[in-house]
Amino acid sequence: KNQVEQSPQSLIILEGKNCTLQCNYTVSPFSNLRWYKQDTGRGPVSLTIMTFSENTKSNGRYTATLDADTKQSSLHITASQLSDSASYICVVGPYNFGNEKLTFGTGTRLTIIP
Amino acid sequence: SQTIHQWPATLVQPVGSPLSLECTVEGTSNPNLYWYRQAAGRGLQLLFYSVGIGQISSEVPQNLSASRPQDRQFILSSKKLLLSDSGFYLCAWGGGVELFFGEGSRLTVL
Repeated sequence: KNQVEQSPQSLIILEGKNCTLQCNYTVSPFSNLRWYKQDTGRGPVSLTIMTFSENTKSNGRYTATLDADTKQSSLHITASQLSDSASYICVVGPYNFGNEKLTFGTGTRLTIIP
Repeated sequence: SQTIHQWPATLVQPVGSPLSLECTVEGTSNPNLYWYRQAAGRGLQLLFYSVGIGQISSEVPQNLSASRPQDRQFILSSKKLLLSDSGFYLCAWGGGVELFFGEGSRLTVL
């Protein structure tokens, strides 16, 4: 069964600090891995999309890494801001086109405190 | 640019009542459209997707249905809601590996 596991489930850090969120997956076949940010009560917004041949991708203060051999990904947030408080969802796609067979993680709830 | 609209944002309905959630996309033609449900502590679950007008694929058997009467309109319906239908419903459109979500509809069934 395809699975995406994220850790930790929740995280609280001080504003200005860095943090790293983890994602392990057992999805086959594997084509791409995505990170989404979801504010409370809102729809998810894409942060990064990586294919199996990419090791890292950045979007401002967000940097995602991918190790397709160990089936692990991480999302690193630098110099956190209060607006980073949200759930971060890891999503794995088996094909290089289409969104019908995605496997979603349950997310990491990140809280930034001043 | 493309935008996606979803309504209503919040809905409280009694058990056994009907449901209609609507989603429209602007700025693109013939999009692939999706309905997801997000339950607390669980990952997003794909309910329906559509690759064109009148073409609906169901991923999970349930008492919900979907329709696509126009190219950029996607509707989620139920004739009789169950308590278990409560949740956060998200419409999305996608192309390639991109997936863009609406703002969601919070449904509470009492």
